[in-house]
Amino acid sequence: ETGVTQSPTHLIKTRGQQVTLRCSSQSGHNTVSWYQQALGQGPQFIFQYYREEENGRGNFPPRFSGLQFPNYSSELNVNALELDDSALYLCASSATGGRTYEQYFGPGTRLTVT
Amino acid sequence: DQQVKQNSPSLSVQEGRISILNCDYTNSMFDYFLWYKKYPAEGPTFLISISSIKDKNEDGRFTVFLNKSAKHLSLHIVPSQPGDSAVYFCAASEDDYKLSFGAGTTVTVRA
Repeated sequence: ETGVTQSPTHLIKTRGQQVTLRCSSQSGHNTVSWYQQALGQGPQFIFQYYREEENGRGNFPPRFSGLQFPNYSSELNVNALELDDSALYLCASSATGGRTYEQYFGPGTRLTVT
Repeated sequence: DQQVKQNSPSLSVQEGRISILNCDYTNSMFDYFLWYKKYPAEGPTFLISISSIKDKNEDGRFTVFLNKSAKHLSLHIVPSQPGDSAVYFCAASEDDYKLSFGAGTTVTVRA
């Protein structure tokens, strides 16, 4: 059974640029959630995708957007990067439609904005 | 607004003894609670969970206790082992799509 994978592992971008992060869900999982973890804090929910539709969204501005593909993989796009966007971005997948319980996380993408 | 709080940033415990991690929450609508464990350079790993209709759930060395009236839950690890050294996150859910996390507690198990 393949776990959740994310790419790239690390990324450095300049303020104002755009970035795309990728996530492949665990085999058999159809729901993907994205979280932002700033240094010294717990993960903060960005949004969730189920059946290629956004299924819920946290308190993040519209410049954070996402996609889910028919194979359940997902992308997180961030436009107009700000210094405060520097964080670990975690993707999590789960097996049932919309239920969050027992989400399985990938290793994350470390984004640094300079 | 931080709805899930872990007030102890760190905990040091001797191998073989009990580790007790605490978590408080403010949202009375939370109906499911989870603990995750995180090693450096890895994503959080699900450890144990509890529904709000229960007050205790046990899985091997790990037991989670829920006190709804106090809006408090705790994780007990008995006995603590060196491999338990990690960051532990408490998380809670009130709906079908998002988890609210605490800031984490770093556990160090001393030999």
